[in-house]
Amino acid sequence: QKEVEQNSGPLSVPEGAIASLNCTYSDRGSQSFFWYRQYSGKSPELIMSIYSNGDKEDGRFTAQLNKASQYVSLLIRDSQPSDSATYLCAVNFAYALNFGKGTSLLVTP
Amino acid sequence: DVKVTQSSRYLVKRTGEKVFLECVQDMDHENMFWYRQDPGLGLRLIYFSYDVKMKEKGDIPEGYSVSREKKERFSLILESASTNQTSMYLCASSGPYEQYFGPGTRLTVT
Repeated sequence: QKEVEQNSGPLSVPEGAIASLNCTYSDRGSQSFFWYRQYSGKSPELIMSIYSNGDKEDGRFTAQLNKASQYVSLLIRDSQPSDSATYLCAVNFAYALNFGKGTSLLVTP
Repeated sequence: DVKVTQSSRYLVKRTGEKVFLECVQDMDHENMFWYRQDPGLGLRLIYFSYDVKMKEKGDIPEGYSVSREKKERFSLILESASTNQTSMYLCASSGPYEQYFGPGTRLTVT
């Protein structure tokens, strides 16, 4: 079984701070990595994808990938209360994705 | 924008009923997926399809079947609904990489 591990949280950060979310995976052959945001009662929404080692920035979000360490992270700068959600890490496995169980983020005003 | 739609947002069925959940995508994606999501268990893959009339079992296929007669449509069938199938059901579609989800169907089996 291909594992994707995330700390369930909750991770609590004050408004304006940087939130750092982490994910490790077991399959060294994985090539594609994704972060989804899921608000309570809603479906997951794709917010970042990363395919090569290093950093990828999109607005306030930065995804970081280190294949040697089998580690993916998501940084959220200038965190807002509207960022409060569960963040799911996903790693490709053949046609499908393996998902972590998610990290709950709470941004406090 | 990718659009994945599901036939119902909320559904209540009785034990033993046959249940159909429909999913349609408008991006000509090859791959389509059915998941269920339960508190503490995360997203679990039920079935997926990589082409019309092709299907593969996911992690928890027992009690479910699927149908993909057209590229844009992927149906999940509960042959005889049971209370342990009460869950949020999520459909997704993808091209070669990114996967996009529909809004979900919250199914309650009583």
